[in-house]
Amino acid sequence: TQLLEQSPQFLSIQEGENLTVYCNSSSVFSSLQWYRQEPGEGPVLLVTVVTGGEVKKLKRLTFQFGDARKDSSLHITAAQPGDTGLYLCAGVSADGLTFGKGTHLIIQP
Amino acid sequence: NAGVMQNPRHLVRRRGQEARLRCSPMKGHSHVYWYRQLPEEGLKFMVYLQKENIIDESGMPKERFSAEFPKEGPSILRIQQVVRGDSAAYFCASSLFRGQANYGYTFGSGTRLTVV
Repeated sequence: TQLLEQSPQFLSIQEGENLTVYCNSSSVFSSLQWYRQEPGEGPVLLVTVVTGGEVKKLKRLTFQFGDARKDSSLHITAAQPGDTGLYLCAGVSADGLTFGKGTHLIIQP
Repeated sequence: NAGVMQNPRHLVRRRGQEARLRCSPMKGHSHVYWYRQLPEEGLKFMVYLQKENIIDESGMPKERFSAEFPKEGPSILRIQQVVRGDSAAYFCASSLFRGQANYGYTFGSGTRLTVV
């Protein structure tokens, strides 16, 4: 069974601060995805990282895929209240998508 | 059809009743995936269907749960004789072709089932 561990489980910070959340696995995935889920809604895809060592930027969000394609990180610069949500990572394999439990992020104004 | 449509958004059932959750995939998509999300847990895969076929039901409980995706109409996730432990958010996703996981799934807004 492929498992994805996300940390921290909960994070509450002030607006304007920077933060990093992590997604780690003992398994290698062909690619890894990050989703953001707001209360009462389904997950929405933010990014897919494919190549080991790859870095992708989406405005204030920076995603990195580990060299061994087993782990990833999401860094948010100058967090805003609108960034509040559940951030899920998902590993892609022949079996489809395997999700971590997510990081609950709260940005306080 | 702007996206994956799920209904109802909220469903309340008494223990022992049946729950039917519907999912209409994005236009042109013939692959549907059902996931269950419990509080403090990630999305757990339940079943993958293609039109009129169940491709992978490895995540589906063996009893009381069934799924279908008929030639016409939405995909249905059916839970018979519901118990309190079935209370969860159930999400559906669709894709245009098999193996599209690399491109990401489009999820519906989910059905929140509450068993009282």
